[in-house]
Amino acid sequence: SQQGEEDPQALSIQEGENATMNCSYKTSINNLQWYRQNSGRGLVHLILIRSNEREKHSGRLRVTLDTSKKSSSLLITASRAADTASYFCATDDRGSTLGRLYFGRGTQLTVWP
Amino acid sequence: DADVTQTPRNRITKTGKRIMLECSQTKGHDRMYWYRQDPGLGLRLIYYSFDVKDINKGEISDGYSVSRQAQAKFSLSLESAIPNQTALYFCATSDLGGDSSPGREETQYFGPGTRLLVL
Repeated sequence: SQQGEEDPQALSIQEGENATMNCSYKTSINNLQWYRQNSGRGLVHLILIRSNEREKHSGRLRVTLDTSKKSSSLLITASRAADTASYFCATDDRGSTLGRLYFGRGTQLTVWP
Repeated sequence: DADVTQTPRNRITKTGKRIMLECSQTKGHDRMYWYRQDPGLGLRLIYYSFDVKDINKGEISDGYSVSRQAQAKFSLSLESAIPNQTALYFCATSDLGGDSSPGREETQYFGPGTRLLVL
């Protein structure tokens, strides 16, 4: 079964609004990553947060991690139509095979002009 | 030029045919992966390889085989294609360097995908 689960499955907002996506996972991790996928294309790495970090920023992205709740959130501020894509969280598994990532099913974000 | 390439980008085949999907990378990474993506199911790992002599099964390896011909090349074969193997297939690479200690970082770089239709 997959490690990460994103919520909501789909999110629709207007340009300029903030978008928040959540991810829950099951096991102890070393890090959690967020990826973006434009329709029908490969995934692109956005940001990584380590298990000993609580918050990280990159441009308009803000990621939080709560290891006690096994959850993370991705916030995109001042969204643009070009942010329309699917967003996936991915975790490793501290107790399992080194180097493997486990992806969730993704959140489909639509930003309307 | 793209760092991770996949060929073909699109393929239509018939049930029972053997097909091969190819992946090449110029990133110099040791680790390569094959995933399939189905609507609503996210990415599922088929096979992965941590170096040329290392091949490992993922979550859904049945019906698939792989070959790591060189550090830069990792091929996925469908021995006898069936319709439920219709999906989007992605190759990915990663490199942890020489550090295998806990807390290491792992970022994967994806190819553009191969869209496969099995009739």
